[in-house]
Amino acid sequence: DSGVTQTPKHLITATGQRVTLRCSPRSGDLSVYWYQQSLDQGLQFLIQYYNGEERAKGNILERFSAQQFPDLHSELNLSSLELGDSALYFCASSPTDRASRGYTFGSGTRLTVV
Amino acid sequence: GENVEQHPSTLSVQEGDSAVIKCTYSDSASNYFPWYKQELGKRPQLIIDIRSNVGEKKDQRIAVTLNKTAKHFSLHITETQPEDSAVYFCVRGDSSNTGKLIFGQGTTLQVKP
Repeated sequence: DSGVTQTPKHLITATGQRVTLRCSPRSGDLSVYWYQQSLDQGLQFLIQYYNGEERAKGNILERFSAQQFPDLHSELNLSSLELGDSALYFCASSPTDRASRGYTFGSGTRLTVV
Repeated sequence: GENVEQHPSTLSVQEGDSAVIKCTYSDSASNYFPWYKQELGKRPQLIIDIRSNVGEKKDQRIAVTLNKTAKHFSLHITETQPEDSAVYFCVRGDSSNTGKLIFGQGTTLQVKP
């Protein structure tokens, strides 16, 4: 157990729908990151939050949004879903706002859009 | 550009042989280079990392080298074992003051017993 908790583990939904993925960071970590991993691909950075504020943004689609709450958990909202959004979505957390050895990934949410 | 180029995409070795994965990058300001191992359907796990002020680092059967001038870094696994079979990602930390990680496309390593 990495200490980073993601729910749900699996999600199957139809095109056009909206889903919310949830992430609880490891205790004491202030940064939360979201990554997308499509089939047989590397991980693509979506967004970083640090202590409640957006710190960095990757190639995140306008249909996607995220936030970090006062208790530091984060949610990734995906709307108007398309078949191509099917992927593994990983959350990671780290103690500071920088990449370091303390960077830890959760087990991911597998999203299937049908 | 931003990307990290990783080669080879697949690698098959006999148990006990060595495996080498090579990566290149273009942002000379990058200073953090972790390597992640991902088993099928599981989360990426950090196996070793190196910072730009160090040229080489070793941890048991795993070693990484970094040539900052040439902007390439490599992972070396010696005495491979079947449990080393997985996808390996070379990664660079973004040079901006964030925690963004930029992943290579991955190398699927198969160790045949």
